[in-house]
Amino acid sequence: DAMVIQNPRYQVTQFGKPVTLSCSQTLNHNVMYWYQQKSSQAPKLLFHYYDKDFNNEADTPDNFQSRRPNTSFCFLDIRSPGLGDAAMYLCATSRGDQKADTQYFGPGTRLTVL
Amino acid sequence: AQSVAQPEDQVNVAEGNPLTVKCTYSVSGNPYLFWYVQYPNRGLQFLLKYITGDNLVKGSYGFEAEFNKSQTSFHLKKPSALVSDSALYFCAVTPNSGYSTLTFGKGTMLLVSP
Repeated sequence: DAMVIQNPRYQVTQFGKPVTLSCSQTLNHNVMYWYQQKSSQAPKLLFHYYDKDFNNEADTPDNFQSRRPNTSFCFLDIRSPGLGDAAMYLCATSRGDQKADTQYFGPGTRLTVL
Repeated sequence: AQSVAQPEDQVNVAEGNPLTVKCTYSVSGNPYLFWYVQYPNRGLQFLLKYITGDNLVKGSYGFEAEFNKSQTSFHLKKPSALVSDSALYFCAVTPNSGYSTLTFGKGTMLLVSP
């Protein structure tokens, strides 16, 4: 089945130690998104790629970076994780060719910072 | 800028009773509206969306939503709740003027008791 896959599902890192979360998709969608979600709050959009075009949200900290080497994969890099970065990180994809663009989410990666 | 309000943090309903989860929105022009559901430690799952036309939208798992333009509302409904419907529900909006990302409400926890 076509889907959005996130690895790992659970990630533990140490304060200040760089960490990379990965997302892959078999939907062949043009757009890939990264969200941060804390404790039963609304997902907060960090950035998204429309094909190769990177779109950063204005309030996304510089500590968060992203790479999209090809259509299928997208990575979230946290350069120096702080305790406040502990959260669920959600990847989503959408076709990008229609206005009411439905986003399809992966299962998420729960990040713990020690 | 668009916004979504979900006025209830939690909705409690007995199994078999009808349920309503409320959502109001603010957007320039006409909206595209979405409902997503999130089960514990999982990503968001698309339920339904309103684009245009019939104000009653039917979605997955027996859910439906009623678009009311004059009240700027898009309430989620189900005629008969199941215990398995217990989850976190998010309403989201995007304007129908070109490509735009979703703005999510803060979420409403639905608890269905046996």
